[in-house]
Amino acid sequence: AQSVTQPDIHITVSEGASLELRCNYSYGATPYLFWYVQSPGQGLQLLLKYFSGDTLVQGIKGFEAEFKRSQSSFNLRKPSVHWSDAAEYFCAVAPLSFQKLVFGTGTRLLVSP
Amino acid sequence: DAGVTQSPTHLIKTRGQQVTLRCSPKSGHDTVSWYQQALGQGPQFIFQYYEEEERQRGNFPDRFSGHQFPNYSSELNVNALLLGDSALYLCASSGGRGETQYFGPGTRLLVL
Repeated sequence: AQSVTQPDIHITVSEGASLELRCNYSYGATPYLFWYVQSPGQGLQLLLKYFSGDTLVQGIKGFEAEFKRSQSSFNLRKPSVHWSDAAEYFCAVAPLSFQKLVFGTGTRLLVSP
Repeated sequence: DAGVTQSPTHLIKTRGQQVTLRCSPKSGHDTVSWYQQALGQGPQFIFQYYEEEERQRGNFPDRFSGHQFPNYSSELNVNALLLGDSALYLCASSGGRGETQYFGPGTRLLVL
């Protein structure tokens, strides 16, 4: 069965510092990969996605993620964090198009002044 | 262009009752998926509807059922509510090749 691991439950970053959120997946082939962000009490907003091709993908709000097949990882990065980035971040995979999303448990990002 | 909408936003029920949640997909989308997100957890897939049929189902009991209408909107029904059904229920829509699911704001259900 597919699974997604986000090893960091909480991360605190100073405003203006760089950010990397980790995501590892377990699946036989390369699935579709996603990062979503959820602000308190809100739904999920898509940040970026990877289906194929260039392993470095750009998303909204200055986020990017890099797919590494050898490590089964899809880590999310941002060069300079803003206070408004404080939220819960979820990595998700789908084995094929039209398939269900399998989510990690999320990483809560706190931004300190 | 309206995104995915859900109603109601909040709901309080008591154990044993039944509840219906509603979802309207993003314009142009024909597939609706439902997820349950318990507090502090990632969303868990309940089921997916396409062409008014249940196409996939997650590991949820038969108390959870759904429907999709000809206009692609969808309902999630939960019977015999348990305290453990308290959660945020998220609807997501997709279309075309269906790779990307877009989520609504969710319905927060509290079962007392």
